Amino acid sequence: DTEVTQTPKHLVMGMTNKKSLKCEQHMGHRAMYWYKQKAKKPPELMFVYSYEKLSINESVPSRFSPECPNSSLLNLHLHALQPEDSALYLCASSPSENIREKLFFGSGTQLSVL
Amino acid sequence: KQEVTQIPAALSVPEGENLVLNCSFTDSAIYNLQWFRQDPGKGLTSLLLIQSSQREQTSGRLNASLDKSSGRSTLYIAASQPGDSATYLCAVQAAGNKLTFGGGTRVLVKP
Repeated sequence: DTEVTQTPKHLVMGMTNKKSLKCEQHMGHRAMYWYKQKAKKPPELMFVYSYEKLSINESVPSRFSPECPNSSLLNLHLHALQPEDSALYLCASSPSENIREKLFFGSGTQLSVL
Repeated sequence: KQEVTQIPAALSVPEGENLVLNCSFTDSAIYNLQWFRQDPGKGLTSLLLIQSSQREQTSGRLNASLDKSSGRSTLYIAASQPGDSATYLCAVQAAGNKLTFGGGTRVLVKP
């Protein structure tokens, strides 16, 4: 299994809602990432987890809350989002946080905040 | 601060023509460079990864070169096909295990 699976594929939420994005991989990778991509822009790093511990937070607002319950699963909890948070949210994994390793990306969750 | 630029931003070619996509970066202190493909509204697929000590990587019809000292990489796609239509992104990896992406080149291969 060489896939990173993200659910849901699409999500529409209001500014007062609480929702979660889910990412799963069964490749035994120990580093997992959240990226945000606005339309026609490159992806931007949000968070990095290494061995289930948060290692990088790119000054992301607290309305985004990541969680790594185990080595295969990465969640992104969303609360009180703004319309400008609408974007494609991409999850990625790599064997470790070793800088020489390839990243594997999921298909993303297209989020719309109304 | 690392900046990655891709030129051109968009490219349209007839089927069968070779594609040449350019990527430049401002800080040559990189560990590796990756080329990705992205279809509309989808995730990224890694095409090639070139370590900083390498000059090129090849996979099928794809060939990527890296000139670290001049801050440039080129992705060549031979004998393009309509299925090659997508956005191609390059990304450099430097200290802190962060990928910095270029803005991408949107490619259209016309049958």
